[in-house]
Amino acid sequence: AQKVTQAQTEISVVEKEDVTLDCVYETRDTTYYLFWYKQPPSGELVFLIRRNSFDEQNEISGRYSWNFQKSTSSFNFTITASQVVDSAVYFCALSTRTGTASKLTFGTGTRLQVTL
Amino acid sequence: GAVVSQHPSWVICKSGTSVKIECRSLDFQATTMFWYRQFPKQSLMLMATSNEGSKATYEQGVEKDKFLINHASLTLSTLTVTSAHPEDSSFYICSARDGRGRTEAFFGQGTRLTVV
Repeated sequence: AQKVTQAQTEISVVEKEDVTLDCVYETRDTTYYLFWYKQPPSGELVFLIRRNSFDEQNEISGRYSWNFQKSTSSFNFTITASQVVDSAVYFCALSTRTGTASKLTFGTGTRLQVTL
Repeated sequence: GAVVSQHPSWVICKSGTSVKIECRSLDFQATTMFWYRQFPKQSLMLMATSNEGSKATYEQGVEKDKFLINHASLTLSTLTVTSAHPEDSSFYICSARDGRGRTEAFFGQGTRLTVV
């Protein structure tokens, strides 16, 4: 069985602060994919990143960066110089099958509030 | 990224009536679509996996006779909540994968169902 844990329920930061959202996963599969999604107040889920289990390179995309550590089963997400528009719920998710039938197991989400 | 359109965005219905929610992939063919349910401030829980041309696979605890899923074409899946009751009030969201090997799922905007 798969499990994704996002221990931080809510985080509040002041604009321009850096913030890291934690994600710890559990799976017995050796091949898996990790995702981060953003859910703004409007409700839709916005895809941010996918990482496969064989690629431990960290990735940076603008103000976003991700740190994948297989040794600790973690896939943390950092927002640099946060902005009010970053306020949303962020979900980490795990998929353990390739092909069209794979499904996502979501963490419970971290609500990020960025204030002025 | 690929576009998934979900309709309606919100619906209010009377207890005992049925409600149909549509999920369309606009610029790709989706052999598999997923239906999730999200209660307020909670994570997304997979309800069922919908495969084009075949019966949906329901997760444990989800009543297949209450949540009817039809995936009649490569671009459309529908979820019908039959004989809705107030406890069915929730945020329903679909996702689709394009079957071309990409493992990220793209989500619709979600449907907020309120049963009164």
